[in-house]
Amino acid sequence: GIQVEQSPPDLILQEGANSTLRCNFSDSVNNLQWFHQNPWGQLINLFYIPSGTKQNGRLSATTVATERYSLLYISSSQTTDSGVYFCAVERHMRFGAGTRLTVKP
Amino acid sequence: DAGVTQSPTHLIKTRGQQVTLRCSPISGHKSVSWYQQVLGQGPQFIFQYYEKEERGRGNFPDRFSARQFPNYSSELNVNALLLGDSALYLCASGQGGSIYNEQFFGPGTRLTVL
Repeated sequence: GIQVEQSPPDLILQEGANSTLRCNFSDSVNNLQWFHQNPWGQLINLFYIPSGTKQNGRLSATTVATERYSLLYISSSQTTDSGVYFCAVERHMRFGAGTRLTVKP
Repeated sequence: DAGVTQSPTHLIKTRGQQVTLRCSPISGHKSVSWYQQVLGQGPQFIFQYYEKEERGRGNFPDRFSARQFPNYSSELNVNALLLGDSALYLCASGQGGSIYNEQFFGPGTRLTVL
């Protein structure tokens, strides 16, 4: 089956810093989503982005389907951005292992 | 509009028991999927149902079963519980019917097996 790799596994930032999270996948995909999992376990939809670029406030994402990767950009990070970020691909959502982001005040 | 709802929030069972978890999708969504998330890992796909028919099954033993009702709500059943079944069980809903299918997750049911 399709393999999904996320990097880095852990990221520690100072409040106000910018970051880039990466998601590589091993085959072409029709679906790709980015999620933020909060400390209570809720998966919050960030982007549905099988291809192209989208922006929502301080967050943006780009998927280059032909090169099999997606990037999530977080600008001017805040402590509330802390948590685990997952990318997931295809209809039966194959998840990566996640990037654990900690933003320090 | 209400999002995906799941019940119960928490559950404690002992080995060998059976458990039933429930999920109600977003109004208008016809697809429900179930995922298991073990601590420290990403969620793993268990089942997808669309229009009351199974549309996909992950690599889980036959102790796991599910069904979807005419109102599109769903139940996940796990028999003969093992300690390793302790996890967060997540339900996701989508409009379904297409390979392009954004999914929305509920808050999860945290199952502890003692």
